[in-house]
Amino acid sequence: QVQLVQSGAEVKKPGASVKVSCKASGYTFTSYNINWVRQVSGQGLEWVGWMNPNSGDAGSPRKFQGRVTMTRNTSISTAYMELSSLTSDDTAVYYCAKSGGRIIPAENWFDPWGQGTLVTVSS
Amino acid sequence: EIVLTQSPGTLSLSPGERATLSCRASQTVSSIYLAWYQQKPGQAPRLLIYGASSRATGIPDRFSGSGSGTDFTLTISKLEPEDFAVYHCHQYGTSLTFGGGTKVEIK
Repeated sequence: QVQLVQSGAEVKKPGASVKVSCKASGYTFTSYNINWVRQVSGQGLEWVGWMNPNSGDAGSPRKFQGRVTMTRNTSISTAYMELSSLTSDDTAVYYCAKSGGRIIPAENWFDPWGQGTLVTVSS
Repeated sequence: EIVLTQSPGTLSLSPGERATLSCRASQTVSSIYLAWYQQKPGQAPRLLIYGASSRATGIPDRFSGSGSGTDFTLTISKLEPEDFAVYHCHQYGTSLTFGGGTKVEIK
């Protein structure tokens, strides 16, 4: 079955960077976009960015531009999201999610999601 | 940015009752670009509905989506115990945004 498995929880100090991995299985990794979404405890979902695993093209909303880097290793079907200059406001659960189809934006719902990675930023 | 406003924030209902959840957009969203997710505590969101009204694989038919323009609705016809959760709407037509969520709790 289609599955995304993320790396484990991280604790970082303010100003540091964090890199979260997302390993895909059960489908052709390079055929569907990978998206990143975060959720602060008790709050809603916030889109962090997207990446095309085939081309390596990536993008993010203005809020995260210059601070988020999305990469991939196609040989091991794994996507990565690195967030730099961390502050306490970045403490959240970070999810990766596969785009539902190949046609963007018409098929850009998210399914499935990874299990989430808790990133805690604390001095 | 398209802002999605979900209401109510919390819905208190009993098993067997009908749940009606609203998602209102600040600008017109093409109906093919609206999805709904269910999220239980400690779990990742799960896709329920895409294209405003298409059920995802394995989703029971008590879940239905409707709406167009700026007003969308998720309806759960008869609540089962496992349906008590938080529900998020998501538009993916113009950039990507999510609503703030509606919690469906047991009354």
